[in-house]
Amino acid sequence: AQSVTQLDSQVPVFEEAPVELRCNYSSSVSVYLFWYVQYPNQGLQLLLKYLSGSTLVKGINGFEAEFNKSQTSFHLRKPSVHISDTAEYFCAVSATNKLIFGTGTLLAVQP
Amino acid sequence: DVKVTQSSRYLVKRTGEKVFLECVQDMDHENMFWYRQDPGLGLRLIYFSYDVKMKEKGDIPEGYSVSREKKERFSLILESASTNQTSMYLCASRSAGGPPDTQYFGPGTRLTVL
Repeated sequence: AQSVTQLDSQVPVFEEAPVELRCNYSSSVSVYLFWYVQYPNQGLQLLLKYLSGSTLVKGINGFEAEFNKSQTSFHLRKPSVHISDTAEYFCAVSATNKLIFGTGTLLAVQP
Repeated sequence: DVKVTQSSRYLVKRTGEKVFLECVQDMDHENMFWYRQDPGLGLRLIYFSYDVKMKEKGDIPEGYSVSREKKERFSLILESASTNQTSMYLCASRSAGGPPDTQYFGPGTRLTVL
């Protein structure tokens, strides 16, 4: 069965600093991986997705993620964060027709 | 752009009431989903529907039922609301077939059961 682990419930970071949000998955079949973002009082929005091909995936708002099969990871990175990046970030793995979500990481960007 | 709308952003109900949460999508998607979101638990799937009148239980279906009479509309029903159903409820839809693709989410309904 597929599962997703986001070890960090909260990541505080100063504005313009780099950030990495960690995601590890387990799956016995081919994986499709996603990062979603939820801004305060809003629904979820797709940030980026890995279906196949290049292991480095670029998404919206300057975010990127790298699929690492040997380490079963799909960490999200941004070289320089802004205050507006403050949000909750969810990693998800596809399981047939469903998504299995991690518990989320709150990215708190401080001035 | 895909649009998923939910009937209410905020809802307050009393214990024992029957509650209907409505979700409508405008992209002719076959699959629709209901999740609940709780702090520290992420999103958990309640029910999903892969086509009209078809439904399947998710991970936490107890205390909930669903209805899908038309392709664009998917309703979540709390037969007798309880305080432990106070939560954020999110609806999503996606197109079926081919490789897994994006789920499109509505803005959510924050339900408080008193």
